[in-house]
Amino acid sequence: ETGVTQSPTHLIKTRGQQVTLRCSSQSGHNTVSWYQQALGQGPQFIFQYYREEENGRGNFPPRFSGLQFPNYSSELNVNALELDDSALYLCASSVATSGGKRDTQYFGPGTRLTVL
Amino acid sequence: GQNIDQPTEMTATEGAIVQINCTYQTSGFNGLFWYQQHAGEAPTFLSYNVLDGLEEKGRFSSFLSRSKGYSYLLLKELQMKDSASYLCAVRGLSASKIIFGSGTRLSIRP
Repeated sequence: ETGVTQSPTHLIKTRGQQVTLRCSSQSGHNTVSWYQQALGQGPQFIFQYYREEENGRGNFPPRFSGLQFPNYSSELNVNALELDDSALYLCASSVATSGGKRDTQYFGPGTRLTVL
Repeated sequence: GQNIDQPTEMTATEGAIVQINCTYQTSGFNGLFWYQQHAGEAPTFLSYNVLDGLEEKGRFSSFLSRSKGYSYLLLKELQMKDSASYLCAVRGLSASKIIFGSGTRLSIRP
């Protein structure tokens, strides 16, 4: 158990809808990263949040957006859902200082999103 | 471009040793991670290498050669519970971004 929690566990949406996924980071961690993992593939980096600001982004369109709150929990929002958005969405928390300390990322259990 | 290569599948026998290789080409290098992922579960951290050499942690060891863009994960005394996917991941120039390989699915037979 990493102490990182995600909700919901599973979600079914239809094409064109919007979805919000939530993540609570491990105690003492102030950085949250989000990943998309398609079946049989490795996780793909979506973005990272540090101190409530986006701190890096992968090759995902703007309809993927996020937030981080003062308690370091985070949300991933996806607008205009497409069939290819069906995947496991993972969040990972880590410690980062203002100097950019590089630390290990610990993953939550994920949210399985199905788009019909 | 940025690329991480690892074998798609491997099979080994309970009690034996297996080595899972990973080669990478990334823009800069700030560390390499190995994660284990059981089917339907989240990845769990196994090891982190940032300097060349071997890091040993119980039955698992990880090796890094930065000049060759190469790493391997060595699993000893294999157990049935070691059947899982093993993910190689590299942190490049951007400290925030970690690039994952597609994973190696390891099957352990009795």
